[in-house]
This record gives sequence, C-alpha cells and structure tokens, in this order.
Amino acid sequence: IVLTQSPDTLSLSPGERATLSCRASQTVKSRSLAWYQQKPGQAPRLLISGASSRATDIPDRFSAGGSGTEFTLTISRLEPEDFAVYYCHQYGTSLLTFGGGTKVEI
Amino acid sequence: QLQLQQSGPGLVKPSETLALTCTVSGDSISSSSYFWGWIRQPPGKGLEWIGSGYYTGSANYNPSLRGRVTILVDRSNRQFSLKLTSVTAADTAVYYCARLTPHYISGLHYFDSWGEGTLVTVSS
Repeated sequence: IVLTQSPDTLSLSPGERATLSCRASQTVKSRSLAWYQQKPGQAPRLLISGASSRATDIPDRFSAGGSGTEFTLTISRLEPEDFAVYYCHQYGTSLLTFGGGTKVEI
Repeated sequence: QLQLQQSGPGLVKPSETLALTCTVSGDSISSSSYFWGWIRQPPGKGLEWIGSGYYTGSANYNPSLRGRVTILVDRSNRQFSLKLTSVTAADTAVYYCARLTPHYISGLHYFDSWGEGTLVTVSS
C-alpha cells in the first residue's frame, strides 16, 4: 500500500490549527494506521495508532481519524515543540509502509 | 520501561556486510506479543521498513531487500540483529530498531518504541 501525505510542508504559527492528510492507494485493513512525529536528530515518536487512538502521554491537542483510504491528523493549537515532520504508517499488510512525511514549520 | 540500545559500526565498505544489534531491556524479548523490527532512513529522506523478527525465529522482510537481509532474535542475550549483505552507497542511512506491539482492537502490530538510531555510511 502506497501512502501519500499532503501537503509536503505546512507553514503555520504557534496557536494555529494544523491538518495533515494521508491517502492510501488501497483500503487500509482494520484502520491499521499510525502517526509518528520526528524532530531533527531524533527517532520517530508514536502519536496515534488504530487511526485515532492517542498513545500514552500524547497531549489531547493531537487528534486523528479516518478510515478506508483517507486519514487525517489534526493539531488543534500548535505549540512550539510541535514543529517537526509527521509520518503516517500502515500496518494492515505484511509489507509495512510509511508515507513520505509532512513538515510542519514556523 | 522498554529501552532499545543499538550497537554496531558506523562505516561499512561497499560490497561488505552491515551488521547491527539492538539490546532489549525493560521487557521480555521472548514475549509472544511482540515482533522486533528494523527501519532505515536515508539522509534527508523518509522511512523504509526493512523487516521484522519474532522470538520463535520467524521473520518477514521487505521484498525490495529480500535476499540481502537477515533478522535474528537472540532470546538468551535479549538482542535482535540485522545483517544486510552486499551493501552499496544506496544503503547509507540511519538505521532504527523498534518494537512492534499489537493494537488492542485489531491485534495487528505497529511500531511503538524505537531505538535512538545508528548512522551507517557505506564508503571505501
């Protein structure tokens, strides 16, 4: 399954709302879609699994949803620490794949 | 709390074998719940799944690398390893080890904890 993320880059200010999209080339089984945040020089950090379940210690300003082939990650009010690259990941098939990433920049 | 500690050389010569190890602490590598995987990220690019192994010895690999990659889980030493043969400059990347945990609804496995990453450069 090929995952296409859009936009490539999102230029926003702290306090604004960010909406990131992840489109799959075919239906993602059982909403098996995760989102990760990656900052420069760091490993990715899990934000969301099962398309909409926040991981432990993830603030509630992060929310996500979707099903089938269309998924969305929303950051309700951007904090300075939220500026990073975000990746979606599908794990519904034996061949695991990632999207190309969306950079959220100031 | 789970910790994944990576080790291995940061420089490998072309045509040789890349070998990395990930040591697991804070949880059992022999748990039937988890898979143990490797992901790589070329400089400035996105993430690519390499493969995943299970404590029984079974493994699943990305077809793009099949034939060159081996992932082994060593229960006695609480480690899992990656070997990638016949490397070229295209294999230069940051390599991450990670745990795959089952989602509580679907039972399908996703990456929930990651190692710190190792930059491996392929160069003579």
